[in-house]
Amino acid sequence: GAGVSQSPSNKVTEKGKDVELRCDPISGHTALYWYRQSLGQGLEFLIYFQGNSAPDKSGLPSDRFSAERTGGSVSTLTIQRTQQEDSAVYLCASSLGSGLNTGELFFGEGSRLTVL
Amino acid sequence: AQSVAQPEDQVNVAEGNPLTVKCTYSVSGNPYLFWYVQYPNRGLQFLLKYITGDNLVKGSYGFEAEFNKSQTSFHLKKPSALVSDSALYFCAVRDMGTGTASKLTFGTGTRLQVTL
Repeated sequence: GAGVSQSPSNKVTEKGKDVELRCDPISGHTALYWYRQSLGQGLEFLIYFQGNSAPDKSGLPSDRFSAERTGGSVSTLTIQRTQQEDSAVYLCASSLGSGLNTGELFFGEGSRLTVL
Repeated sequence: AQSVAQPEDQVNVAEGNPLTVKCTYSVSGNPYLFWYVQYPNRGLQFLLKYITGDNLVKGSYGFEAEFNKSQTSFHLKKPSALVSDSALYFCAVRDMGTGTASKLTFGTGTRLQVTL
């Protein structure tokens, strides 16, 4: 597609349920990022995939959060046993790579998660 | 770790007046700095970046940013604001992490409100 595609755009779930958020990056982009945007909190880094390298999971807030990237393309962010504090907009971005002179990330429009 | 700070939650300016959105950074080594904009209910869009070279960087939509090493600042500027510039602006710095892995660390954002 022309841009980064995320689904669902909105998700309402009950506390304790598992959710999956999907990201389809721009074709040919080797780097994929997940960020979380909470009201008044700015953008919080969650996880980063680059090619076949081990992902940088340093931003995942707890072991309830996990992500995978299949075939170097589509990524799924999974939140298990959701809590109300997980409510946020989850943003996915992709880029051509992580070389020193790259830096432009292309963001999707996000998945808004509401945990009741 | 690299970090950026945006000291203003909101900036108000009248249309036609110059605008400045402030950002200061803290990095070890050479900074790689970025500005992104988020329009309502949209994903983030890249505006401009500083890697090396001229301290004044020009970007999209008439925006520019001035890199000041002595003040560790990277303020976003525009000579004449438009109502359509009203949005949320994020400053970011590239965090080189380990090896070639890298991600962007974002500030908390500044809401720009341009009025007639």
